[in-house]
Amino acid sequence: GQQVMQIPQYQHVQEGEDFTTYCNSSTTLSNIQWYKQRPGGHPVFLIQLVKSGEVKKQKRLTFQFGEAKKNSSLHITATQTTDVGTYFCAGTAGRRALTFGSGTRLQVQP
Amino acid sequence: DGGITQSPKYLFRKEGQNVTLSCEQNLNHDAMYWYRQDPGQGLRLIYYSQIVNDFQKGDIAEGYSVSREKKESFPLTVTSAQKNPTAFYLCASSQSGANQPQHFGDGTRLSIL
Repeated sequence: GQQVMQIPQYQHVQEGEDFTTYCNSSTTLSNIQWYKQRPGGHPVFLIQLVKSGEVKKQKRLTFQFGEAKKNSSLHITATQTTDVGTYFCAGTAGRRALTFGSGTRLQVQP
Repeated sequence: DGGITQSPKYLFRKEGQNVTLSCEQNLNHDAMYWYRQDPGQGLRLIYYSQIVNDFQKGDIAEGYSVSREKKESFPLTVTSAQKNPTAFYLCASSQSGANQPQHFGDGTRLSIL
């Protein structure tokens, strides 16, 4: 079945440093979504990418969808303590439901 | 205010007991989902429903059952056949189609007594 993997599993950065998480799928995806889950909270939708090679920005966050539509990345510039949480990618490939990656937990040291 | 309500927030199950987790949404979404979250393992899909009176198994459906008799409601029953039920359970909903953003409830944390 479809598998979506994320690396790293955990990252600890100093406030102001950049952060990147990578998402890789075993199959070609029709779309990729990104979610953020704060500690003790529930996942919240951030963005969706659909086109091959697509790049979208939300303030300090930059999202990319690979040319082959099998990988994606989320890059945060100049992290802040409010960025703390777990970031999940999720994609669809054929079936009518998302497959979530295992997530990357980000810790930001003030 | 529109959203998804899960109850209870915490639930304890005795050995051999079935328990039902509630999920209600007033977003007028056609699709609803149940996920299980274990530490470090992300979200795993248990069941999903694209329309009333229809639902499909996800990746880890064994030991669970669902119903979708109303558009607003998608309860999940954790049966005694689920031998390791301790986890955080999340319900979500979306407009019809797998490419739609999902909106999540606050979750139910289930533990074994």
